[in-house]
Amino acid sequence: RKEVEQDPGPFNVPEGATVAFNCTYSNSASQSFFWYRQDCRKEPKLLMSVYSSGNEDGRFTAQLNRASQYISLLIRDSKLSDSATYLCVVNGRSNFGNEKLTFGTGTRLTIIP
Amino acid sequence: DTAVSQTPKYLVTQMGNDKSIKCEQNLGHDTMYWYKQDSKKFLKIMFSYNNKELIINETVPNRFSPKSPDKAHLNLHINSLELGDSAVYFCASSLWTGLNYGYTFGSGTRLTVV
Repeated sequence: RKEVEQDPGPFNVPEGATVAFNCTYSNSASQSFFWYRQDCRKEPKLLMSVYSSGNEDGRFTAQLNRASQYISLLIRDSKLSDSATYLCVVNGRSNFGNEKLTFGTGTRLTIIP
Repeated sequence: DTAVSQTPKYLVTQMGNDKSIKCEQNLGHDTMYWYKQDSKKFLKIMFSYNNKELIINETVPNRFSPKSPDKAHLNLHINSLELGDSAVYFCASSLWTGLNYGYTFGSGTRLTVV
């Protein structure tokens, strides 16, 4: 099982719609969770951290379900500028035993006018 | 006032050559990373340094040699380049493991080996 798994999409969604992505992770000991956004030919940028109680930032809501080991991202009232690849990120252990962040392969979202 | 800067942005070179990519951060972070993003967009960690000490060394060919002269700089030298090394290489930095605040990435170096 991959450390972090995401549906690659693409998700093609009309402007103004609500869209949700899920991500599953394999390490039950993981403590840190993030969503990153990556635009085409650009670097990944932190969108939001994901907290146990769930958290919201404007139109974006992140949820964590530890029992089922999945993370979700909900985008409401989607804008054309939301078109990007969304990367699920979870902490794990490197082969040196140190903490590292592991990135999922991303879910591609295209908002259609 | 770029936070994490990488040079060069593009690098086209022939197989067998040796090349270096440089990275600098001005965020006051103590940990830096090299990630590789292949053609399938999979972002995979290669190395990490904390205060000039190597703390992560994933399964990477030893043709790749990182070097951190100080905690604000992390360079990547690649010997005997192969076609399969073509990818985008991202430098990133964080405070310690980045578990609380995540990583900040540079804009990437697009390496093409011909």
